[in-house]
Parts: sequence; structure tokens; C-alpha cells
Amino acid sequence: SQQGEEDPQALSIQEGENATMNCSYKTSINNLQWYRQNSGRGLVHLILIRSNEREKHSGRLRVTLDTSKKSSSLLITASRAADTASYFCATDRQYSSASKIIFGSGTRLSIRP
Amino acid sequence: SQTIHQWPATLVQPVGSPLSLECTVEGTSNPNLYWYRQAAGRGLQLLFYSVGIGQISSEVPQNLSASRPQDRQFILSSKKLLLSDSGFYLCAWNPYTGELFFGEGSRLTVL
Repeated sequence: SQQGEEDPQALSIQEGENATMNCSYKTSINNLQWYRQNSGRGLVHLILIRSNEREKHSGRLRVTLDTSKKSSSLLITASRAADTASYFCATDRQYSSASKIIFGSGTRLSIRP
Repeated sequence: SQTIHQWPATLVQPVGSPLSLECTVEGTSNPNLYWYRQAAGRGLQLLFYSVGIGQISSEVPQNLSASRPQDRQFILSSKKLLLSDSGFYLCAWNPYTGELFFGEGSRLTVL
């Protein structure tokens, strides 16, 4: 089952613009993570935000978390052509002794030169 | 440093044939290990996860199985493949800090 749902499913913007992707989830979480996937490759971890945090930054990335609305957003500022990829949110419910990490359906981001 | 290896990278198998995908992690001990499947253009579906040798949790009932014969080895198997088993299979490990580290994936086409 998929815990998170990203919105929009696809996004096309001009290079230099900011890109915002949203994620909604259904149950309580321990943390929420964002990943990036280039076509045909494995996923790469971008940023993790814990349930007691509201905002986190990493370089050109800014993630927010609203646990009352069960939602998160990923902002990529000053986009570059190399940012073209699919982006996924993932939630960690810390089930038993293992982290059961469930992914959403992803947002396909295209950066136009 | 830790690395994760998956093989084979690509395979084409006939319906009804067996499957074995292997994943190994180097540079760490007792990692949590995961198998995910990704259909074309879709998100990741959690198939199995493991907290230790011989300890496997299954998320989706299907004709796939997983085994963990050694601490850093995770194997995905099937006795008889179905057309619906086609997809991109990803192995990942978790160092208890939350994030997952993924292998490069195995692309399976069942004909």
C-alpha cells in the first residue's frame, strides 16, 4: 500500500524558476523523507525531516512538514537542467524493530532550458 | 564506506521460469534490508524487509519470496514468474538513521 501521494504528478518549469512538490500521507509518522530518481537508476536520499520538525534546509532544497495536515512540501530553488528527475516522498512509521518505509507515487520534474 | 550491490542489472525471463535476484551490502553489519518493486512510471511498492538473518517480513502476498542467508545478503526469488512480475526491482539498506541507500536496480522483463 502507498502511504504518500505526491502532487502534482508532473511538473515542467523554466530553468531558474522554483519548483514546489507536495506530499500528503494518511497515518502518523516518525519521519518523512524525500528522494530523487534519475531515469532508470536507483533512488538517492535528499533530506529527512522528523515529526517534531517543521522546516529543514539543505542547499537549494527546503522541506516543510505539517503533521496536523499530514502533508509535506519540497521546494527546489533556482532550478537547473540537472534537477530533471522524479521526486518521491517516503514515510517511516518505525514499525517494530525495522523502519517500514513507504513511498508515494512521485512527481516527474522537467526543467526546460 | 558502505556500498550496496545488486545483480543482475537486466534480465529477460519467460513466464513460468524461476527468478533469483541478489543484493549484498558491504561496510556495515546487521543492516535493515529492503526489496521494492517499481512499475514503469510509478512509485515504489515495498515487497519485503528484514531486520536480521532469517527474519523476513512480507508486505504483499504474491508469488515472490525473500531470504536472508547471511547478515549482508538479501535474495529475492520466485519459483514461477508471471507476466505481472515485470518491473524494476530495487534493494536498499537502512543504517538506523532513517534514510535508505539504494542499489542500482534490476530490470526484469517477463515474456
